[in-house]
Amino acid sequence: GENVEQHPSTLSVQEGDSAVIKCTYSDSASNYFPWYKQELGKRPQLIIDIRSNVGEKKDQRIAVTLNKTAKHFSLHITETQPEDSAVYFCAASRSGAGKSTFGDGTTLTVKP
Amino acid sequence: DGGITQSPKYLFRKEGQNVTLSCEQNLNHDAMYWYRQDPGQGLRLIYYSQIVNDFQKGDIAEGYSVSREKKESFPLTVTSAQKNPTAFYLCASSLPGSPNTEAFFGQGTRLTVV
Repeated sequence: GENVEQHPSTLSVQEGDSAVIKCTYSDSASNYFPWYKQELGKRPQLIIDIRSNVGEKKDQRIAVTLNKTAKHFSLHITETQPEDSAVYFCAASRSGAGKSTFGDGTTLTVKP
Repeated sequence: DGGITQSPKYLFRKEGQNVTLSCEQNLNHDAMYWYRQDPGQGLRLIYYSQIVNDFQKGDIAEGYSVSREKKESFPLTVTSAQKNPTAFYLCASSLPGSPNTEAFFGQGTRLTVV
């Protein structure tokens, strides 16, 4: 089955700096890669996703890149703000699998 | 609040008891999922269902059971066979098919064994 590894497990940055979280996956057939943000005590919510037919996607301060050859994808947050502090999860899935495999999460702390 | 509702928010169980966690969605999604989240860990899949009256085991199904008699509902029973049930349980739903789409999560149920 699919295996997703996520690094780092914790990340602390100064407000205004950039943050990068990386994930690798094992199933070359995976074609959908969402990123979720979970604030303390709340539900995970999708912040951005990418499909295997594109290499990069951007939404304001958030971007995701995908390298299918190397089987890794990354989340980039620029101009970080304290409200970006949360746990971020990556996931991978493939058509017909009916389920996603999640990484273990990265706890991002943005210091004012 | 997002179309997928879990209840109760907090649940206490005595050892040896079965408990059932409720998950209801009004998003008309075919696929539903149950995940377990432990502190400092990611989401581990317990069971999932892609269609009514059908479900599959996830990675950590032992000690759990589910049913999917209605499209809107996917209850999870934590049985006495689950050796370490204290955790945060998240239900999710999504549109199935190709390509996959995002999962919408409920607010979660925090289960504590006392």
